[in-house]
Amino acid sequence: SQQGEEDPQALSIQEGENATMNCSYKTSINNLQWYRQNSGRGLVHLILIRSNEREKHSGRLRVTLDTSKKSSSLLITASRAADTASYFCATANYGGSQGNLIFGKGTKLSVKP
Amino acid sequence: GAVVSQHPSRVICKSGTSVKIECRSLDFQATTMFWYRQFPKQSLMLMATSNEGSKATYEQGVEKDKFLINHASLTLSTLTVTSAHPEDSSFYICSANQPSGGANEQFFGPGTRLTVL
Repeated sequence: SQQGEEDPQALSIQEGENATMNCSYKTSINNLQWYRQNSGRGLVHLILIRSNEREKHSGRLRVTLDTSKKSSSLLITASRAADTASYFCATANYGGSQGNLIFGKGTKLSVKP
Repeated sequence: GAVVSQHPSRVICKSGTSVKIECRSLDFQATTMFWYRQFPKQSLMLMATSNEGSKATYEQGVEKDKFLINHASLTLSTLTVTSAHPEDSSFYICSANQPSGGANEQFFGPGTRLTVL
């Protein structure tokens, strides 16, 4: 079942601007992951943040995690047209079924050149 | 990073036929693999958890007799869509678990697009 809820569902920005996507979840987690998916293609793992971490950086990506609010945000700085894709958050809870991921509905990001 | 492959990448079949999709972990052993389904413009939905040497665990609403899963080795899981119908047309994605610093990171295959005519 779906757990994560991303907002916004769609985001359109100009190249060079920052893009912020949010994800909320409902149950306790071990970690939260962000993925990118280009149209009709497979998933690309972007970043994993553990439940005891609050912020993580990877290149132009910045992820925050607030376990008290059960929410995470993904910030892409200085966006490029190539960042156009759908972005999904996914939560992992290893206490249940061996670590399957539960995906959110995704945010469709469009970066205009 | 670890690599997961899927075969075929795209398949078109007639209604009523069965289709087998393979998921392989190329450079690591995976005791657990996962199968997801993604309908157009929607998110991934977990279908089942495939465990090497034992029966798969299916999510609620997924028919185990229709979606047969076999995880015969530590590097291969197969999903067979039996008696496929047009409503089974979807993007099927597998992933494999590799324990990594306790995080159990999942690596995803490129997906298989199934079209049932």
